[in-house]
Amino acid sequence: DTEVTQTPKHLVMGMTNKKSLKCEQHMGHRAMYWYKQKAKKPPELMFVYSYEKLSINESVPSRFSPECPNSSLLNLHLHALQPEDSALYLCASSQESGTLSVWQYFGPGTRLTVT
Amino acid sequence: RKEVEQDPGPFNVPEGATVAFNCTYSNSASQSFFWYRQDCRKEPKLLMSVYSSGNEDGRFTAQLNRASQYISLLIRDSKLSDSATYLCVVNELTGGGNKLTFGTGTQLKVEL
Repeated sequence: DTEVTQTPKHLVMGMTNKKSLKCEQHMGHRAMYWYKQKAKKPPELMFVYSYEKLSINESVPSRFSPECPNSSLLNLHLHALQPEDSALYLCASSQESGTLSVWQYFGPGTRLTVT
Repeated sequence: RKEVEQDPGPFNVPEGATVAFNCTYSNSASQSFFWYRQDCRKEPKLLMSVYSSGNEDGRFTAQLNRASQYISLLIRDSKLSDSATYLCVVNELTGGGNKLTFGTGTQLKVEL
């Protein structure tokens, strides 16, 4: 079973809504990641947090706003999304960031639909 | 050109067959490599790391050729439960940390 949990599992939101995706891990990992995966495509990296600080932002539009309140939690705040933002949003964690042996553990994802 | 390329398949093989997947990557700054598997509508799960010397984990063997920027995965004695999409992943260490790039994935279907 995955040790990375994500809520909600499914989310439908309108283009004017504000919502948040949540991710939690209790493995003591110090690096956490957000990915976006469209149907039949590979996951694409969005953000990396290392020791609760944002270390990589892959030029993600500002309508996606990440937050890492503590070492176990990662949020993704959503505002004014577009229908093309509909996708599976995956959270992952790894023991550290900046190492060669970066074994990432993924959560089950939040399937987001923007109407 | 995609950064990490794989034959999308599907590869349809009978149970017990041996099947091989290939992957090429374009970023010569990539420093470590992995295979993940992803079942339909599930999250990716780490299968194994890939080392230059080649490494084996049960029925799975992975190889890396840095000079050719080529990675492979061999599955022996295929099981029905091996049916999944196999993702080749390359890791680049940057100032901000790890940037993992996933390949397009190869779909495997093992049949009776």
